[in-house]
Amino acid sequence: AQSVSQHNHHVILSEAASLELGCNYSYGGTVNLFWYVQYPGQHLQLLLKYFSGDPLVKGIKGFEAEFIKSKFSFNLRKPSVQWSDTAEYFCAVNGFTSGTYKYIFGTGTRLKVLA
Amino acid sequence: DGGITQSPKYLFRKEGQNVTLSCEQNLNHDAMYWYRQDPGQGLRLIYYSQIVNDFQKGDIAEGYSVSREKKESFPLTVTSAQKNPTAFYLCASSIAGRTQYFGPGTRLLVL
Repeated sequence: AQSVSQHNHHVILSEAASLELGCNYSYGGTVNLFWYVQYPGQHLQLLLKYFSGDPLVKGIKGFEAEFIKSKFSFNLRKPSVQWSDTAEYFCAVNGFTSGTYKYIFGTGTRLKVLA
Repeated sequence: DGGITQSPKYLFRKEGQNVTLSCEQNLNHDAMYWYRQDPGQGLRLIYYSQIVNDFQKGDIAEGYSVSREKKESFPLTVTSAQKNPTAFYLCASSIAGRTQYFGPGTRLLVL
């Protein structure tokens, strides 16, 4: 079955700590990978994406993610978090199946950064 | 400004009532989607449409209906058959297979 797993449901960090949020997927065939962020009271917005090419992708606000095909993973990282990174983070995958593009989201990780 | 608008921001539904959530986009995207967001469950796909006058059920379509008469618009009706409608509803659009762009959402509450 196609699925996306986010291992951490809640993460609490102090400012300047490093962040890594895990994301593993199960999906046959070629996939595109995304991380979205939902800040309190705001739209769900794109943080970064991978379609092809360099498996290390950089996004907004200092975030990056690495696509490791052999591990079916697309973990999100940031070397030093800020209080303003407090938000919910969603990993998503899309692929072409049965004549249509299907998007699958993980259950999300709530990050709280303590000032 | 290009983007996706959803209205209303909050919607209250009485027992047995159908309610309709609006979603409009001016991004010229062919594909549009409706998701339901519940705490700890991520985003679950209700319906999607890849082209005008065509739409498909997602994973949790029961109790919901949609129409796609115009490229810009994809309204969602929550029918009385949906027994647990309280949730945050998100509309999105995309070029097929590419990044989805999301609206601000509608929070539906049951009176």
